[in-house]
Amino acid sequence: AQSVTQLDSHVSVSEGTPVLLRCNYSSSYSPSLFWYVQHPNKGLQLLLKYTSAATLVKGINGFEAEFKKSETSFHLTKPSAHMSDAAEYFCVVTSKRGAGNMLTFGGGTRLMVKP
Amino acid sequence: GAVVSQHPSWVICKSGTSVKIECRSLDFQATTMFWYRQFPKQSLMLMATSNEGSKATYEQGVEKDKFLINHASLTLSTLTVTSAHPEDSSFYICSARREGYEQYFGPGTRLTVT
Repeated sequence: AQSVTQLDSHVSVSEGTPVLLRCNYSSSYSPSLFWYVQHPNKGLQLLLKYTSAATLVKGINGFEAEFKKSETSFHLTKPSAHMSDAAEYFCVVTSKRGAGNMLTFGGGTRLMVKP
Repeated sequence: GAVVSQHPSWVICKSGTSVKIECRSLDFQATTMFWYRQFPKQSLMLMATSNEGSKATYEQGVEKDKFLINHASLTLSTLTVTSAHPEDSSFYICSARREGYEQYFGPGTRLTVT
């Protein structure tokens, strides 16, 4: 069994300031972890993924995340927020079940960026 | 590469009617397709998993006679909401996966039942 907890349902930052979106997970297996972004009325776009290689993962649009096994965390960061970053972000962990890898989604964090 | 499309992007239907949503993998063959439902301001909930040529596996609490899933080919899966009611109004998202790769998501379909 596994689960994902996104510690903040809403995060508000000013444009140009750092972004931190927190994610903790639990997994019975060695996990693969993902961050997805969803803009209003749109599908999900993959930002980055961790699959047991380097623990610091760089993604698109300046985002990165660090896998910390000892803390069971996979927080998403960006040095400087842009207005276009305002969206919903989902932390996701995989689950091996049957023939395919099943995804378990966190509850989501809505990022708001103030001018 | 790895593009997944959904059609329609938005549909409005009357209560009691059925509506079909298509999910296509445009440039790869998907061994497995997934259907998710997302309520406003909430996360995605997996509804069912389908493998080409076999019956879909539904998650607990999802009515298989209400949400009919057909995975007729390696590039197409359909979700039919039968006898739709206003409580079925939601955002439906599909994803497709090929062996050894992660899931690629479609853009979603917003269903409004009046």
